[in-house]
Amino acid sequence: AQTVTQSQPEMSVQEAETVTLSCTYDTSESDYYLFWYKQPPSRQMILVIRQEAYKQQNATENRFSVNFQKAAKSFSLKISDSQLGDAAMYFCAYKRGAQKLVFGQGTRLTINP
Amino acid sequence: NAGVTQTPKFQVLKTGQSMTLQCAQDMNHEYMSWYRQDPGMGLRLIHYSVGAGITDQGEVPNGYNVSRSTTEDFPLRLLSAAPSQTSVYFCASSTRLSGFGMNTGELFFGEGSRLTVL
Repeated sequence: AQTVTQSQPEMSVQEAETVTLSCTYDTSESDYYLFWYKQPPSRQMILVIRQEAYKQQNATENRFSVNFQKAAKSFSLKISDSQLGDAAMYFCAYKRGAQKLVFGQGTRLTINP
Repeated sequence: NAGVTQTPKFQVLKTGQSMTLQCAQDMNHEYMSWYRQDPGMGLRLIHYSVGAGITDQGEVPNGYNVSRSTTEDFPLRLLSAAPSQTSVYFCASSTRLSGFGMNTGELFFGEGSRLTVL
């Protein structure tokens, strides 16, 4: 079975600085999706960024970018110029096929003003 | 533009009571699923459906029932609530449509339902 591991239960960063959240996963498949979701205190699950495994180029969405290392099964999220609104739980997730998403345990990110 | 709608948002039950969490989506998505979120464990898949009339078990199905009579609705039933079912529940949907630029693989989530079983 696929597993997703986030080894950092909590992270903190100063406002305007850069922070990297780690994620590793285990799979024998070659074609899959990887996601980072943000969950603010409102509880809403918000998609931050996605990566298709067949694409070698790392995905980027404004201040958010990923470092996708397929051979190492690593998928880290870099947040540049951190803002107070970035404070949230962040979940890494793996998806293969129709719709089954496998989530990591989450990383709570605190932004210090 | 409703997306995925879950009701109720909060519910308190006594052990042994039954209830149904409702989920509806207006995006004509084929796939729907239920997850539960517990501290330190991320979200875990309870049940899912790939279309009307078709359901299957996920990672933690015990104590829950589902049915999918229409494309839009996917209710989750707790027949005899237990304290271990205290959690936040999320419904999600996605499309199976594929093709260049069409299927992003993304799941669309409802706002969650917080259930407490005393």
